[in-house]
Amino acid sequence: EAGVAQSPRYKIIEKRQSVAFWCNPISGHATLYWYQQILGQGPKLLIQFQNNGVVDDSQLPKDRFSAERLKGVDSTLKIQPAKLEDSAVYLCASSLDRQGKETQYFGPGTRLLVL
Amino acid sequence: DAKTTQPPSMDCAEGRAANLPCNHSTISGNEYVYWYRQIHSQGPQYIIHGLKNNETNEMASLIITEDRKSSTLILPHATLRDTAVYYCIVRVAGIRKNYGGSQGNLIFGKGTKLSVKP
Repeated sequence: EAGVAQSPRYKIIEKRQSVAFWCNPISGHATLYWYQQILGQGPKLLIQFQNNGVVDDSQLPKDRFSAERLKGVDSTLKIQPAKLEDSAVYLCASSLDRQGKETQYFGPGTRLLVL
Repeated sequence: DAKTTQPPSMDCAEGRAANLPCNHSTISGNEYVYWYRQIHSQGPQYIIHGLKNNETNEMASLIITEDRKSSTLILPHATLRDTAVYYCIVRVAGIRKNYGGSQGNLIFGKGTKLSVKP
């Protein structure tokens, strides 16, 4: 079974530029999550989708971050404009979200450096 | 904030059992204990979870105290590849019937950095 795919793996941009990350979840997984992990800390949830609807975006800085999952499969996370403090690893995860099958499976992440 | 407390770091000799403690004194009756680990430069990896009974799978064993206020993850024969940050998380499981809730989300703390040494 293929895992969660993310691209790019690394990105370096200057502050005030825009950047987008892509995630392809495990086939059949209805729920998709984006996490931000700052160096030395655990991942922090940014947004959660169930199919193509947003379940929780309370921790998403909506003035600069946006995310979509138009067809309920792939998802993109965008930052516009980026700030220095956005330097982090952005992790995508997915789960079946069915009784007894809530385990989240994570992708390798995209490492963002904002200069 | 994370609802668990873990030591920041631990060492273990290769081939020995690694016992990673976690305190979750405010755990609710419907919250499970989950363990994930994160090897350097990779995403977190699910290890095991339990409610109140001890659990074992091919990766590890989970021992939960009777009062459920603490638990221990046991890696029976640690290898160098087990060097990672281990996260203990309490989480409500089950189908969420209403959108807008985040009870079932994973809230990560800083975890325990386990170093397995030859």
